[in-house]
Amino acid sequence: QKEVEQDPGPLSVPEGAIVSLNCTYSNSAFQYFMWYRQYSRKGPELLMYTYSSGNKEDGRFTAQVDKSSKYISLFIRDSQPSDSATYLCAMSYSGGYQKVTFGTGTKLQVIP
Amino acid sequence: GAVVSQHPSRVICKSGTSVKIECRSLDFQATTMFWYRQFPKQSLMLMATSNEGSKATYEQGVEKDKFLINHASLTLSTLTVTSAHPEDSSFYICSARDDPRGSPLHFGNGTRLTVT
Repeated sequence: QKEVEQDPGPLSVPEGAIVSLNCTYSNSAFQYFMWYRQYSRKGPELLMYTYSSGNKEDGRFTAQVDKSSKYISLFIRDSQPSDSATYLCAMSYSGGYQKVTFGTGTKLQVIP
Repeated sequence: GAVVSQHPSRVICKSGTSVKIECRSLDFQATTMFWYRQFPKQSLMLMATSNEGSKATYEQGVEKDKFLINHASLTLSTLTVTSAHPEDSSFYICSARDDPRGSPLHFGNGTRLTVT
């Protein structure tokens, strides 16, 4: 079993839809959770960074962490064609030097 | 802030030659940088942790003589793929934290290496 599981998709939605992206993990020691967006042939770009359980909102993006269920989500409201990319979840034991574990990424396509 | 620059973005080389990839932190100092490799439709795989002024730490299964890492200053780390072979063709990405006490990783734009 992988430490982090993420549905690879692809996920296709119409423009304006609410998108829900999810990851599950097996290691309860993870404390820091991140979401990255990666366009084709580019490096990952940090979208959201959260610590422990709870919600965090930034514009059209909302990150949720449920440590009891070992489940994290990223919601994108009013999705735009420019949101079409691969979304990677990531997590680590601490915010410092500790190794970061990534999901395989979910490919999202927002259709105009 | 927290910009990581990687160069070149794309390189094609012949089998048996060596290729150097540079990673720079532009607006912060990074005592530690991380080198990842990404295969198509797969996740990022940590290759090694680059430490300024000391030896890099390699992940299990990564050949340190094959992938030479030098972190000569607080803003520059280099990855040299020595005697490259077609199976080394991949997308290599570096990253760094702008606050070693606790911050997320910031990534460069990656280098697409093709070995012919």
